[in-house]
Amino acid sequence: SQQGEEDPQALSIQEGENATMNCSYKTSINNLQWYRQNSGRGLVHLILIRSNEREKHSGRLRVTLDTSKKSSSLLITASRAADTASYFCATDREYNFNKFYFGSGTKLNVKP
Amino acid sequence: GAVVSQHPSWVICKSGTSVKIECRSLDFQATTMFWYRQFPKQSLMLMATSNEGSKATYEQGVEKDKFLINHASLTLSTLTVTSAHPEDSSFYICSAKLARRPEQYFGPGTRLTVT
Repeated sequence: SQQGEEDPQALSIQEGENATMNCSYKTSINNLQWYRQNSGRGLVHLILIRSNEREKHSGRLRVTLDTSKKSSSLLITASRAADTASYFCATDREYNFNKFYFGSGTKLNVKP
Repeated sequence: GAVVSQHPSWVICKSGTSVKIECRSLDFQATTMFWYRQFPKQSLMLMATSNEGSKATYEQGVEKDKFLINHASLTLSTLTVTSAHPEDSSFYICSAKLARRPEQYFGPGTRLTVT
């Protein structure tokens, strides 16, 4: 079963703008991960944030986690056309960090 | 590092036949592998968790007799879709993880079309 919901479902921006995607989940977690999927392809791991972390950066990516609200956000700064893809968050469950459940995804379109 | 491959990348089969999909971790030993299914424009649904040398654990609603999973070695897991039907057509993706690490590394996926 899916764990989370993401919003927006779709986002269209111009190159150079920032893109923010949000993920909400239902149960307590150990870790939350963000992935990117280009159309019809496998998933690329972007970043992992642990439940005791509040913010993490990796290049142009910034992820925040608010465990009290059971939500996370992914910010992509200075977006590029190559960032066009679907973005998913995936969460484990507090007593089982082995399995991850995916959110519904945000489809990002960056227009050149 | 942490490369996962899947074979085949796409397959077309007739109703009633069985199809085997392989998932390999190429440069690491995967204690656990996972199988997901993804319908067009939808998210990934976890089907089962596979540990080397033991029986797979299936998620609720997934028929274990229909989706046979074998994890014979630390680098190979297979998913066999038995007696395939058109509704089994989907994108099947595997992932693998190292022991005591939460990150999962995904294969490129296998597109199955049952005619």
